[in-house]
Amino acid sequence: GENVEQHPSTLSVQEGDSAVIKCTYSDSASNYFPWYKQELGKGPQLIIDIRSNVGEKKDQRIAVTLNKTAKHFSLHITETQPEDSAVYFCAASTSGTYKYIFGTGTRLKVLA
Amino acid sequence: EAGVTQSPTHLIKTRGQQATLRCSPISGHTSVYWYQQALGLGLQFLLWYDEGEERNRGNFPPRFSGRQFPNYSSELNVNALELEDSALYLCASSLGDSSHEQYFGPGTRLTVT
Repeated sequence: GENVEQHPSTLSVQEGDSAVIKCTYSDSASNYFPWYKQELGKGPQLIIDIRSNVGEKKDQRIAVTLNKTAKHFSLHITETQPEDSAVYFCAASTSGTYKYIFGTGTRLKVLA
Repeated sequence: EAGVTQSPTHLIKTRGQQATLRCSPISGHTSVYWYQQALGLGLQFLLWYDEGEERNRGNFPPRFSGRQFPNYSSELNVNALELEDSALYLCASSLGDSSHEQYFGPGTRLTVT
């Protein structure tokens, strides 16, 4: 069935370093890949997304890359700050279903 | 612009009871999605409503049901509550076209004792 694997489950980095979170999806029909940030006690917040016709997208310190052949996509955060500490979720979706299949989340800790 | 709102914030019920959770989408959004987030786990898709109709359903038993009203707000009903239904229930909304982007509310924390 449809599945999204996410690694690592926890990630600790020093402030100013980069963080990379990786996801692999199983459904080759998936064509939309959003990333969400969830802070404690809050709902997930959409931070960046990428569609299957694009290989990379960047928004300030955040970038996402997509490898359709390998069915991999990754979130890159540069110059990390303490406020980046949160749980990050990747997801995959297919046109027509609009159902998101989420990864299991990565708890990112940025150490000051 | 107001985001997705959900009520109540917290809900405590006893096993066997029914729970009703409510969601108001972002103005202009016609699609509403419900997700279950059990403690320490990821988000599991429950239901998708668009233009008042149920469009897709996740792998949950029939005691999880809902509806969407003419103003696009939505209710999630959980009947015959079980202890394992305790979770954060998240509602998201989108424009309902091919844009895909879903925006989440803060969630309702349901506790079943």
